[in-house]
Amino acid sequence: NAGVTQTPKFRILKIGQSMTLQCTQDMNHNYMYWYRQDPGMGLKLIYYSVGAGITDKGEVPNGYNVSRSTTEDFPLRLELAAPSQTSVYFCASSYSRFGDRGPNSPLHFGNGTRLTVT
Amino acid sequence: KQEVTQIPAALSVPEGENLVLNCSFTDSAIYNLQWFRQDPGKGLTSLLLIQSSQREQTSGRLNASLDKSSGRSTLYIAASQPGDSATYLCAVSRRGGSQGNLIFGKGTKLSVKP
Repeated sequence: NAGVTQTPKFRILKIGQSMTLQCTQDMNHNYMYWYRQDPGMGLKLIYYSVGAGITDKGEVPNGYNVSRSTTEDFPLRLELAAPSQTSVYFCASSYSRFGDRGPNSPLHFGNGTRLTVT
Repeated sequence: KQEVTQIPAALSVPEGENLVLNCSFTDSAIYNLQWFRQDPGKGLTSLLLIQSSQREQTSGRLNASLDKSSGRSTLYIAASQPGDSATYLCAVSRRGGSQGNLIFGKGTKLSVKP
């Protein structure tokens, strides 16, 4: 299994440009998440999805959009890139909701996309 | 508001030492707690997940404990090796259900010297 795959690995954007960060998983997980990680900071949740067609905001959703048309894919869209969006972005998935009682809720992460906006 | 703190922020030990990493959280109403490892330039790898009803979990040389009443978890690494060098993060999921309640600490950067 490939697990969670993110593309691209690196990207440099100019202010105001747009781009889509791709994320796909082959574990048939219902739940998918997007996090950002800034230097010296913990991860913060941007958006999450509990299944195809269902998405919801996390802690820091402003400036981002998501869609979930299939179980496997969960792309993250930046419409008007700003320097504050310079960060490392991680996609993750889980079989059930992290926090549910039960053994199947560990999070599985991709290797991240390092984005610089200048 | 749930806050997760990890102390120390960085730790350097000689190979072979046993060591303890600490994680504390302010709200004891959690579903579970998970320890992760992050290597430079990589994503997070799940190490151990402790349900709120459990006291500890073990995997190989790793042992994680959970004391909900005091809001603390520890990750014990036995006989440390240079390959254990990485950043270790803990995350808690607070009861009340939405994924916005998943809170990460900032991590402890571990360096194991040969």
